[in-house]
Amino acid sequence: DAKTTQPTSMDCAEGRAANLPCNHSTISGNEYVYWYRQIHSQGPQYIIHGLKNNETNEMASLIITEDRKSSTLILPHATLRDTAVYYCIVRVARALVGTGFQKLVFGTGTRLLVSP
Amino acid sequence: DAMVIQNPRYQVTQFGKPVTLSCSQTLNHNVMYWYQQKSSQAPKLLFHYYDKDFNNEADTPDNFQSRRPNTSFCFLDIRSPGLGDAAMYLCATSLGQGTEAFFGQGTRLTVV
Repeated sequence: DAKTTQPTSMDCAEGRAANLPCNHSTISGNEYVYWYRQIHSQGPQYIIHGLKNNETNEMASLIITEDRKSSTLILPHATLRDTAVYYCIVRVARALVGTGFQKLVFGTGTRLLVSP
Repeated sequence: DAMVIQNPRYQVTQFGKPVTLSCSQTLNHNVMYWYQQKSSQAPKLLFHYYDKDFNNEADTPDNFQSRRPNTSFCFLDIRSPGLGDAAMYLCATSLGQGTEAFFGQGTRLTVV
C-alpha cells in the first residue's frame, strides 16, 4: 500500500466545513483513496472512496487533485458528532490477478475536534 | 441492525489465562480481519481470512491464533495473555479484496 501523510490534529467550529487533507505522492495508477473515521471507543467506519474524480455521498465529499498526489475530505457542515480520528488509506479496489491480497492498513490519521 | 457483532464488548482476563474473543457477521462476506488497537494508536492488522485461507501478518506473535469455523464466525484466541496484550480488538469484514470494510464495535481486553 502507498503511504499517506496527514496532519496529526485539526480543529473545526460546529456548522463550518471541515477540510481534511491527505498526501499520497507515491500512489499508483490503480490505487483508490479511501477514508475511514473512528469515533472514540467504536470501530472504524467507512466514509467514502475515489479514484480520480471527485466523489460525494451523504456523509462527505472527496476532492482528488488532478495529479492524484493529494486529496481532501470535506465534511460540509461539521457537527459535534463528527469529532473522530479520520484515516486516509490508499489501496487497490479491484486487485489484479497475481498482485496479492490488498490489505487494509491504517496510518496515524487526523484527530478532528469539532467545537461548539 | 449491527452487521458485524463482537462479543463481549469488554473482557477481563487474568495474566496467562487463555481467552477467546468472538466475531460474527450477517453480511456473508468472504474476508474477515482481526486488528489490535492500543491506546492512541491506529489499528494494527493481526491476520485475515480470505474464505478459509488464513493469512498471518509477519509480526503477529505466536500467542495469537484464529479460527474460522464457517463464513459467519471468526474467533481470536490469545493463548497466554500478557499485560502488553491489553487493547481494543477489532473484527472487520469485506466482500472480496479491495472493497470497503465493515467493522464491529470492538472488544476491549483488560489483562490483570
